[in-house]
Amino acid sequence: AQSVTQLGSHVSVSEGALVLLRCNYSSSVPPYLFWYVQYPNQGLQLLLKYTTGATLVKGINGFEAEFKKSETSFHLTKPSAHMSDAAEYFCAVSEIGGSQGNLIFGKGTKLSVKP
Amino acid sequence: KAGVTQTPRYLIKTRGQQVTLSCSPISGHRSVSWYQQTPGQGLQFLFEYFSETQRNKGNFPGRFSGRQFSNSRSEMNVSTLELGDSALYLCASRWGQMQETQYFGPGTRLLVL
Repeated sequence: AQSVTQLGSHVSVSEGALVLLRCNYSSSVPPYLFWYVQYPNQGLQLLLKYTTGATLVKGINGFEAEFKKSETSFHLTKPSAHMSDAAEYFCAVSEIGGSQGNLIFGKGTKLSVKP
Repeated sequence: KAGVTQTPRYLIKTRGQQVTLSCSPISGHRSVSWYQQTPGQGLQFLFEYFSETQRNKGNFPGRFSGRQFSNSRSEMNVSTLELGDSALYLCASRWGQMQETQYFGPGTRLLVL
């Protein structure tokens, strides 16, 4: 069964600093990969996704992620953190084709941004 | 285009009661999935419906059930509520079974006392 590991349940950065949120998946076949963000008392918003093609994926709000098959990783980065980035971030996978309709999520990483 | 809507947004029930939650997908989307989010277990898949048929089911007891109507709206029902059912229930929709991206609603927060 597929699984997703997010290293670090809490990450704190200063405003303007680099944001790096780590995600590793376990699958013998590279799945589809997603990053979602959740603000307090809200649902999940899609930040970016990787399906096929270019391994560096750009998303909304200045975030990007790189798919590295050899490392089974899909880490999320942003060059300069903003106060509004404070939220919880979830990495998720689904099987290629997506026919199963079930995303498998990591436990989430709560990002704090200090002024 | 309006997003996924869920009603009610908040709900308080007592143990033993049952509850029905509603989800209206994005217009044109025919697939609806349900997830449970708790602090301890995180986000867990409940089930997916497509064209009024359950296509996939997560590892939850039979107290959790759902259905989908011809207009793609979906409901989920939890019978004989337990304290551990307190959670945020999220609904997600996508256009079809082969589309990979799911769009989430704001969720229904259920508190069981």
